[in-house]
Amino acid sequence: EAQVTQNPRYLITVTGKKLTVTCSQNMNHEYMSWYRQDPGLGLRQIYYSMNVEVTDKGDVPEGYKVSRKEKRNFPLILESPSPNQTSLYFCASSPRQGAAYEQYFGPGTRLTVT
Amino acid sequence: AQSVTQPDIHITVSEGASLELRCNYSYGATPYLFWYVQSPGQGLQLLLKYFSGDTLVQGIKGFEAEFKRSQSSFNLRKPSVHWSDAAEYFCAVGRRGAQKLVFGQGTRLTINP
Repeated sequence: EAQVTQNPRYLITVTGKKLTVTCSQNMNHEYMSWYRQDPGLGLRQIYYSMNVEVTDKGDVPEGYKVSRKEKRNFPLILESPSPNQTSLYFCASSPRQGAAYEQYFGPGTRLTVT
Repeated sequence: AQSVTQPDIHITVSEGASLELRCNYSYGATPYLFWYVQSPGQGLQLLLKYFSGDTLVQGIKGFEAEFKRSQSSFNLRKPSVHWSDAAEYFCAVGRRGAQKLVFGQGTRLTINP
């Protein structure tokens, strides 16, 4: 089944404890992206990747890192999480380069930082 | 700067009634337009998209949307809603060559039995 998977789905952590949220797609998509969803703000892009080893900042990159060493994986890293990073996170991929085209979303990761 | 506005944060309709969710955008270039649905606890699923051509587009689950360039709108419609349509709906806009989609704030749809 074609899909985007994220792990973990739920995570509660403490301030400053490094964490990684994994994202994987099995559709051979070149474009991948991370979003965070907050009430009343819709989805905001954190980082995106056009292809392997090519990443760039989105609208809200502060406090996050990403890497794209393989085409299928695009992990999101929080080196020192803070409570304002409590949010619902979505990974997405697209069959065409550029985000202008339809994106396929993972199920989301709900992160709570205390 | 580009922006997307969904004026209605929350809408309640009765099962079997018609539905229209509003979306207005501000975009300099010819937009690519999308509607996504997010069911509780789920990721976003694409309902429909508009790139060019016929301004009335059909999507999955019986939804349709109409692109009106003069009004900068891309409203989502369904003639008769079902209880399973209860979800949050997001309008999004992109353009050729852009590296992100811009999302509206979302409209939460509640269905009364």
